[in-house]
Amino acid sequence: AIQMTQSPSSLSASVGDRVTITCRASQGIRNDLGWYQQKPGKAPKLLIYAAATLQNGVPSRFSGSGSGTDFTLTISSLQPEDFATYYCLQDNNYPWTFGQGTKVQIK
Amino acid sequence: QVQLVQSGAEVRKPGASVKVSCKASGYDFTNYDINWVRQATGQGLEWMGWVSPNSGYTGHAQRFQGRVTITRNTSISTVYMELNSLRSEDTAVYYCARGRWLLDWGQGTLVTVSS
Repeated sequence: AIQMTQSPSSLSASVGDRVTITCRASQGIRNDLGWYQQKPGKAPKLLIYAAATLQNGVPSRFSGSGSGTDFTLTISSLQPEDFATYYCLQDNNYPWTFGQGTKVQIK
Repeated sequence: QVQLVQSGAEVRKPGASVKVSCKASGYDFTNYDINWVRQATGQGLEWMGWVSPNSGYTGHAQRFQGRVTITRNTSISTVYMELNSLRSEDTAVYYCARGRWLLDWGQGTLVTVSS
């Protein structure tokens, strides 16, 4: 199975900060990567698919980049509602696999 | 609007089985695969498997081989995930999610395995 290594596992940031989360795949996955946001007690929500395409309704402060093995999720200016846990998911190959998650906390 | 509504919480003893349902509405049920993802308390997300509502074809992660069955009933736009030989480590919230990229998610079903 393809392993997805996500970093950092947690970070502390302030409102207005630029935040970057990375995911590295154990083998090339083209651009078959999605990013999800999960708040406590809620189901995850799709933010970005195909590595860089913003899902409908997701604020433009979220962006994704990368291809092959290295991917990045960037929040350009962190807002109060963005404090959550973020996951990457590869769907290039079965079994689909998630990164371990990054918890974004208030500094 | 798209909705995936899952069945309610379940409690089972070790060795038992559980069947969770996911009823879809607001889109053409046969056009999107349904995936199952689970999350143990305080842990990350784990993809379990999928079903094509159109063909009935399924697939699942190897670690669930022999224990998971995913089916669908197109007449009522509902997908089912059955997990057998439950153990305490299967205690988790189970989610169904629509399509590639997991576009929409059910609300989750807590399955507790405890003696």
